[in-house]
Amino acid sequence: AIQLTQSPSSLSASVGDRVTITCRASQDIIDALAWYQQKPGKPPQLLIYAASSLERGVPSRFSGSGSGTNFALTITNLQPEDFATYYCQQFHSYPLSFGGGTKVEIK
Amino acid sequence: QVQLQEPGPGLVKPSETLSLTCTVSGGSISNYYWSWIRQPPGKALEWIGYLYYTGTTRYNPSLKSRVSISGDTSRNYFSLKLNSVTAADTAVYFCATSDYDWVQHWGQGTLVIVSS
Repeated sequence: AIQLTQSPSSLSASVGDRVTITCRASQDIIDALAWYQQKPGKPPQLLIYAASSLERGVPSRFSGSGSGTNFALTITNLQPEDFATYYCQQFHSYPLSFGGGTKVEIK
Repeated sequence: QVQLQEPGPGLVKPSETLSLTCTVSGGSISNYYWSWIRQPPGKALEWIGYLYYTGTTRYNPSLKSRVSISGDTSRNYFSLKLNSVTAADTAVYFCATSDYDWVQHWGQGTLVIVSS
């Protein structure tokens, strides 16, 4: 099974900051990676699929990059509603798997 | 817009079977992937498995011997059964759907606690 390692596990940032979260896969997954945002008590919401494609309706301050085993989610001009936990998910092979999550907190 | 609702039992005794049903509106289970994903309190997400509209199922090997996902196209819902549960199965269970292997639509989730 493919393991996904996210870093950092948590970070503190201020409104307006640029934030980057990384996700490393245990083997080459090409571009088969998605990113989700989850707020407390809510289901995750899809942000990015196929490593860098923005889901319809997601603000353009969110962007994804990477291929192979190293991926990143970048949030530019961090907004108050962006404070949440972010997860990566690989869909290259079964079982589908998620990273451990990165919590973005207010500094 | 597809909407998913998964009301659940809330409490299941150890060694018993957890059963959840996801009601689908705004879409038909005769299309797409229909998945179950769970999240233990304070922990990360875990993919349980899916039912493809063709009837094909696929499960996480970590649960494969205990899990079953099925669907009823006439009533437009799909179900999860997880048997021989333990405290480790305590989690919020989400039903979800997508055209692809990433998840586009999620239910609100239902907390299931395994306890005597």
